[in-house]
Amino acid sequence: SAVISQKPSRDICQRGTSLTIQCQVDSQVTMMFWYRQQPGQSLTLIATANQGSEATYESGFVIDKFPISRPNLTFSTLTVSNMSPEDSSIYLCSLRQGNEQYFGPGTRLTVT
Amino acid sequence: GDSVTQMEGPVTLSEEAFLTINCTYTATGYPSLFWYVQYPGEGLQLLLKATKADDKGSNKGFEATYRKETTSFHLEKGSVQVSDSAVYFCALSDGGSSYKLIFGSGTRLLVRP
Repeated sequence: SAVISQKPSRDICQRGTSLTIQCQVDSQVTMMFWYRQQPGQSLTLIATANQGSEATYESGFVIDKFPISRPNLTFSTLTVSNMSPEDSSIYLCSLRQGNEQYFGPGTRLTVT
Repeated sequence: GDSVTQMEGPVTLSEEAFLTINCTYTATGYPSLFWYVQYPGEGLQLLLKATKADDKGSNKGFEATYRKETTSFHLEKGSVQVSDSAVYFCALSDGGSSYKLIFGSGTRLLVRP
């Protein structure tokens, strides 16, 4: 199975600032996903990021708030822009390999 | 739209007790079904899956059977251990081109010695 790493693993940020989360995979994958897990809640898909095309955002998420880059088949970034305390969550990148989906360890973000 | 409903937690059991975590789903097509587990301080891991009706997924003593007639995918284990304490998520994938996963709300399991 693919090995997924994320940076940073956690961060504490001030409201109004932005944070870029990196996701690195040890093999080439076409489809990568970004999920959010708010405190005590389930995971919600933010967007799907295919290499070479614009990310596709789910309802309730917009590119201005969560811009995504996918420069190659092993790397993606998610930026959380103009943060507010409501953005405090764990952000996870994910990929599909065969019939299974794998998740990174997550980035725990706290906005003060 | 598609959705997944799980029983609310926390579920507290004594070691060696029988575990059932209920999961039902709503989907327009023929989804694949998954159970993921999140151990304390760790990332999300795939526990088991089933891709069609009557399939049984199993792993680490856990089992779940894809029941199309009742739209359910209940997670069971005959004898839980303290190390099974974690949050369990039921999820479905509609298998379409998006491949996205739709998760239930998660059920926290606490196993006491």
